[in-house]
Amino acid sequence: DIVMTQFPDSLAVSLGERATINCKSSQSVLYSSNNKNYLAWYQQKPGQPPKLLVYWASTRESGVPDRFSGSGSGTDFTLTISSLQAEDVAVYYCQQYYSIPNSFGQGTKLEIK
Amino acid sequence: QVQLQESGPGLVKPSETLSLTCTVSGGSISDYNWNWIRQPAGKGLEWIGRIYTSGSTNYNPSLKSRVTMSVDTSKNQFSLKLSSVTAADTAVYYCARDRMGYVYEYWGQGILVTVSS
Repeated sequence: DIVMTQFPDSLAVSLGERATINCKSSQSVLYSSNNKNYLAWYQQKPGQPPKLLVYWASTRESGVPDRFSGSGSGTDFTLTISSLQAEDVAVYYCQQYYSIPNSFGQGTKLEIK
Repeated sequence: QVQLQESGPGLVKPSETLSLTCTVSGGSISDYNWNWIRQPAGKGLEWIGRIYTSGSTNYNPSLKSRVTMSVDTSKNQFSLKLSSVTAADTAVYYCARDRMGYVYEYWGQGILVTVSS
């Protein structure tokens, strides 16, 4: 099974500042035949289900603000929020869909400083 | 707009079988793959399993011996059965539709299932 590890576990950032969340997979999630990274990011607010933000490591889901961006390849990935807004307070999860069982990181809690 | 709604008992006794149903509206259940994902309170997400358009299934190996998923196309519903439950199975259970077996694009609101005598 692929283990996903996120860091930090929690993060406090001032409004308008950049937030960076990291995710590392225990093995590469880059599929060589199509050069795609099978990595997604989700946002979960209290009492709500997760919401898909980014897939293929860097493709933003329709309707997601462009302040959210994903990057990375292989085993190391980053979700960046370029200018933190109050509504971005949430827990963020990375997920690999390279292999079964699909697996998630433990989550990173993002708060306002 | 696709909507998913979980239903079932909120309390299950230890050693019994947890049974949940997800009702899909706004689209045909036959055209997509469907998943169950759970989240213990204050913890992360665990994928339980997937049922494909063909009716075949994939389960998380950690739960495989206890999980059964099925689809009822006439009711636009799919279901989860988890046998021999313990307190460790207490969690919010989500149903979700995936995109071609990859990411989870639509989710239900979740249902809290507590395992307790």
